[in-house]
Amino acid sequence: AQRVTQPEKLLSVFKGAPVELKCNYSYSGSPELFWYVQYSRQRLQLLLRHISRESIKGFTADLNKGETSFHLKKPFAQEEDSAMYYCALSSGTYKYIFGTGTRLKVLA
Amino acid sequence: NAGVTQTPKFRILKIGQSMTLQCTQDMNHNYMYWYRQDPGMGLKLIYYSVGAGITDKGEVPNGYNVSRSTTEDFPLRLELAAPSQTSVYFCASRRQEKLFFGSGTQLSVL
Repeated sequence: AQRVTQPEKLLSVFKGAPVELKCNYSYSGSPELFWYVQYSRQRLQLLLRHISRESIKGFTADLNKGETSFHLKKPFAQEEDSAMYYCALSSGTYKYIFGTGTRLKVLA
Repeated sequence: NAGVTQTPKFRILKIGQSMTLQCTQDMNHNYMYWYRQDPGMGLKLIYYSVGAGITDKGEVPNGYNVSRSTTEDFPLRLELAAPSQTSVYFCASRRQEKLFFGSGTQLSVL
C-alpha cells in the first residue's frame, strides 16, 4: 500500500540549531516526493520537490530509495521556519498521498 | 490571478442538512482535487478531476459528490451532513506536479 509516514507530530528546536524533519514512504514504483509547508494564516504551499534537487529557504531534501526516506533538513533554523510541514508522494496517477504533518517550532 | 478560491471559510451545519463547498480557479488548470483534513491526520483525498466533465473517487468519497462542468469550478456537495464530516476541507489545482491550494473551509456538523 502507498503510504507516507511522518513520525513526529511536533519538533521543537532552538534558533540556529540544525533541523531534520523525517519522512518515510511506502511505494513499489518510482515515486515523486514533495515537501509542502503551511505558515500561520497562510495557504499550504509547495516548499520543494525531490526532482528539482534545489534548496529553498535553506532547506534541502534528498531522496534515499534504499531507506525509502525523504527527510527535510536545514543546517540553521530560523524563527520564521516555524510552520506545519507535510511530506507528500505522487504515485503518477494524478493522486497525491500526504503524511500527517510535523509542526516545527523554532524557539528564540 | 486569484489562484484557488474557496467559499465559505467557515460553516456550521445541523445533522442531515446539505451544502455545497465552492471552489474556483483562474489558472486554467485541468487537474483539481478535494481533500479533507482531520485533527492530527494528513490530508485525505475525497474526489479529483482531470478535466471538465471527468471526476473520480479518492480515498474517502462516501457522503460527498462533485461535478466539473467547467475547467474553473469544482464544487463539493454534502447531501446529508453527519458529524463525521466535521473537518477542514481544501481544494487544490495542479500544474506540472505542483499543487496550488485554496485557503480551506472549516466545517462543523452538530
